[in-house]
Amino acid sequence: EIVMTQSPATLSVSPGERATLSCRASQSVTSNLAWYQQKPGQAPRLLIYGASTRATGIPARFSGSGSGTEFTLTISSLQSEDFAVYYCQQYNNWPCSFGQGTKLEIK
Amino acid sequence: QVQLQQSGPGLVKPSQTLSLTCAISGDSVSSNSAAWSWIRQSPSRGLEWLGRTYYRSKWYYDYAVSVKSRITISPDTSKNQFSLQLNSVTPEDTAIYYCARLVHGHFDYWGQGTLVTVSS
Repeated sequence: EIVMTQSPATLSVSPGERATLSCRASQSVTSNLAWYQQKPGQAPRLLIYGASTRATGIPARFSGSGSGTEFTLTISSLQSEDFAVYYCQQYNNWPCSFGQGTKLEIK
Repeated sequence: QVQLQQSGPGLVKPSQTLSLTCAISGDSVSSNSAAWSWIRQSPSRGLEWLGRTYYRSKWYYDYAVSVKSRITISPDTSKNQFSLQLNSVTPEDTAIYYCARLVHGHFDYWGQGTLVTVSS
């Protein structure tokens, strides 16, 4: 099984600033990488798939990049509703696997 | 708009069977382009995919190795839903359980989640 490692575990950023979250795979997953946002008491929400394609209804301030083993989720100008936990998921090799999450908190 | 509505008990005794159902609206459990999955989340295991079912001229089933001997996912075409059964549960199976639609490898719609506690 492919191990997904996210960093940092917690990221403190001020509203209006840029946030950069990282996800590393233990072996290449090509571009088969998704990002999810989870708020307390809610199910995860799909943000990005195919490493860089925004899901329906996701604002343009969310962008994904990377391929192979290194991936980045960037939120260009943080809004109050963006403070949450973010997960990456690989689906290149089945079973799919998730990272442990990055908590994005208000600085 | 696809919606997934979960139902089932939140408390299960050790050694018994955990049973949850996920009702689908806005899509079909027999879809030729989607699969239907169960995922759980706990502090110790994080997000863990448990299994999926999908229809491609016949029904297919695929389970995580960690639960393969104990899990059954069943589609119900008459009610447009699918269910999860996990046998012989222990406290380690305590988690929030989610159903989700799986499309091209990623999960685009999720149920609301059910906290299942395994305790006597």
